[in-house]
Amino acid sequence: EDQVTQSPEALRLQEGESSSLNCSYTVSGLRGLFWYRQDPGKGPEFLFTLYSAGEEKEKERLKATLTKKESFLHITAPKPEDSATYLCAVQAPIKAAGNKLTFGGGTRVLVKP
Amino acid sequence: NAGVTQTPKFRILKIGQSMTLQCAQDMNHNYMYWYRQDPGMGLKLIYYSVGAGITDKGEVPNGYNVSRSTTEDFPLRLELAAPSQTSVYFCASSYPGRAFFGQGTRLTVV
Repeated sequence: EDQVTQSPEALRLQEGESSSLNCSYTVSGLRGLFWYRQDPGKGPEFLFTLYSAGEEKEKERLKATLTKKESFLHITAPKPEDSATYLCAVQAPIKAAGNKLTFGGGTRVLVKP
Repeated sequence: NAGVTQTPKFRILKIGQSMTLQCAQDMNHNYMYWYRQDPGMGLKLIYYSVGAGITDKGEVPNGYNVSRSTTEDFPLRLELAAPSQTSVYFCASSYPGRAFFGQGTRLTVV
């Protein structure tokens, strides 16, 4: 059974204070690891998909990296508008399982000005 | 672009009542999903569909039913609502490599 664990559960940062979020996963054959951002009262918003160890993707102040056991979401010089819950998910390895995603519990990030 | 549209946005049900959460997508995706999200938690899969007429159970299907008569629509039915079904429900559709989520339905069962 696929398992995804995110840490820390919550993170308070000062504006400009860089940090990293961790996503550890156990899956029998990774087809994709996803990062989503979720604002209060909204649905998850897609950020990145990573497919193989060593892969990196960037978007503005966010950079996602992937190893064989975990992924990191690095937030560089965050701004208050980066405050959100960040969700990590892995994709089922078997095509017949409908490409479904298994999510971690999320990391709530609060960036103070 | 409408994407994934869910209705209603909010609903309060009494214990034992039934309701249908509506979900529609206009991206012609074959894959659609229903997730629930409890406070401070990640999303748990209730049901999913790989195409019209094909549905399957996810991680937490008890108390729910789905149907998929068209590519666009994937309604979720709650029969005999229970307090444990108080949650936020998200519908999603996907192609390989990316899933798109609706804005959610906040359901309270009292």
